[in-house]
Amino acid sequence: GAVVSQHPSRVICKSGTSVKIECRSLDFQATTMFWYRQFPKKSLMLMATSNEGSKATYEQGVEKDKFLINHASLTLSTLTVTSAHPEDSSFYICSARVQTNYGYTFGSGTRLTVV
Amino acid sequence: EDKVVQSPLSLVVHEGDTVTLNCSYEVTNFRSLLWYKQEKKAPTFLFMLTSSGIEKKSGRLSSILDKKELFSILNITATQTGDSAIYLCAVAGNNDMRFGAGTRLTVKP
Repeated sequence: GAVVSQHPSRVICKSGTSVKIECRSLDFQATTMFWYRQFPKKSLMLMATSNEGSKATYEQGVEKDKFLINHASLTLSTLTVTSAHPEDSSFYICSARVQTNYGYTFGSGTRLTVV
Repeated sequence: EDKVVQSPLSLVVHEGDTVTLNCSYEVTNFRSLLWYKQEKKAPTFLFMLTSSGIEKKSGRLSSILDKKELFSILNITATQTGDSAIYLCAVAGNNDMRFGAGTRLTVKP
C-alpha cells in the first residue's frame, strides 16, 4: 500500500524554460505533501509543505515564485521550476503523509539537469 | 528553530562490526522520528518511532527513541557491505518533516 508515483524520473531542460514535476498518490489520499531538494552527497532539504486546497508553506530562503507548488487534489501535487537555471539542477523528491498509519512515503525522485 | 542533528557524519567499518548511529532533535510539535536508508535514489523506510523506550527491530537493525533526552539511535549488528549507504534521520512535526544531514556508512569487506 501507500505508493507515491513521481514523474518524470529524469529531465534535462534548457535554461529559461519551466519544468513540472508531478507526485501522485496511487492508493491513498495525500492531504499533505512535502517537497525536498537534495544536492550531491547532502541530505534532503525541505523546500515546502503543501496541503490540499490551500497555499503551500515555503521554507525560509525558498523562492515561492520560482518553485510553484500546486496541490489541487487529494492525489496530486506538482512542483514547477520556473525559468530554470543551471543552479536549479538537483534531485527533487516528494513525500506524502499517510493518514492511516501516520507514516510517510516517498516518490522515486526527479533528477533535473538544466543546461 | 527546529533542528535534527546526526552523528557521526561519516563512518567506515569492516564487515561484522556493530555500528551505532545517533540522531538528536529539537522540534516543536513532535509527532514521530523516522529512520531511512538511502543508496542511489529515494530513501527507503526503516523505522518509525513515536514512543520512548520501545525498541524496534528488523533483522540486524534496531532503533530506539528517548523523548525525554530528545534522541534516537540506530544500531546495525554484524554489518555487511550491503549496509553501505547514507542513513537519514527525520523528525515529523504537525506539518513538516525535517531531515538530519545523514550518516554515510561504509562497510569494507
